[in-house]
Amino acid sequence: SQTIHQWPATLVQPVGSPLSLECTVEGTSNPNLYWYRQAAGRGLQLLFYSVGIGQISSEVPQNLSASRPQDRQFILSSKKLLLSDSGFYLCAWGVAAEQYFGPGTRLTVT
Amino acid sequence: DQQVKQNSPSLSVQEGRISILNCDYTNSMFDYFLWYKKYPAEGPTFLISISSIKDKNEDGRFTVFLNKSAKHLSLHIVPSQPGDSAVYFCAASEISGGSNYKLTFGKGTLLTVNP
Repeated sequence: SQTIHQWPATLVQPVGSPLSLECTVEGTSNPNLYWYRQAAGRGLQLLFYSVGIGQISSEVPQNLSASRPQDRQFILSSKKLLLSDSGFYLCAWGVAAEQYFGPGTRLTVT
Repeated sequence: DQQVKQNSPSLSVQEGRISILNCDYTNSMFDYFLWYKKYPAEGPTFLISISSIKDKNEDGRFTVFLNKSAKHLSLHIVPSQPGDSAVYFCAASEISGGSNYKLTFGKGTLLTVNP
């Protein structure tokens, strides 16, 4: 069966510090991978998706970037965090139209 | 422009009764629809889905209905249980760039099932 891991579970970072969130998937090959953010009181906003190694598409302009160095690894990064980057970050993998989510990372930028 | 709308931010029902969660969409290119359940501080869990070529899909206590002409779908939970209390997200999918299926989510409906 497939499993998806995200870490860390929670993170508190000062404004201007860098960020690296990691996501790995087990039990599947060449999945589509996604990063979402859920801000307080809002729905899920797609940030990035990847259909293969090194292939990254950005949905919204922002202070974040993503990379896919291996087939089942997806990384979300920032060089300098902003207060507005606070939120709940979710990684997902997909087969066709169905997507399955990881446990999420709660990021608080102070 | 919100392409997927869940107009009820919250819904409260009694245990054992039916819960009906509604979702409307505007984009005619959506061809697959999904419902997710989310507990606080956890990732959404996939519940049930429906293709645009169908009008009903059932899985245990959960049934999703799709009315394409009205661009409306609903999730029925029968009978409702206290453990069903969570935020429910409606999502719609369209193919993007040839091999990517892009999901657009509604803002969610908080369902509370009272014992």
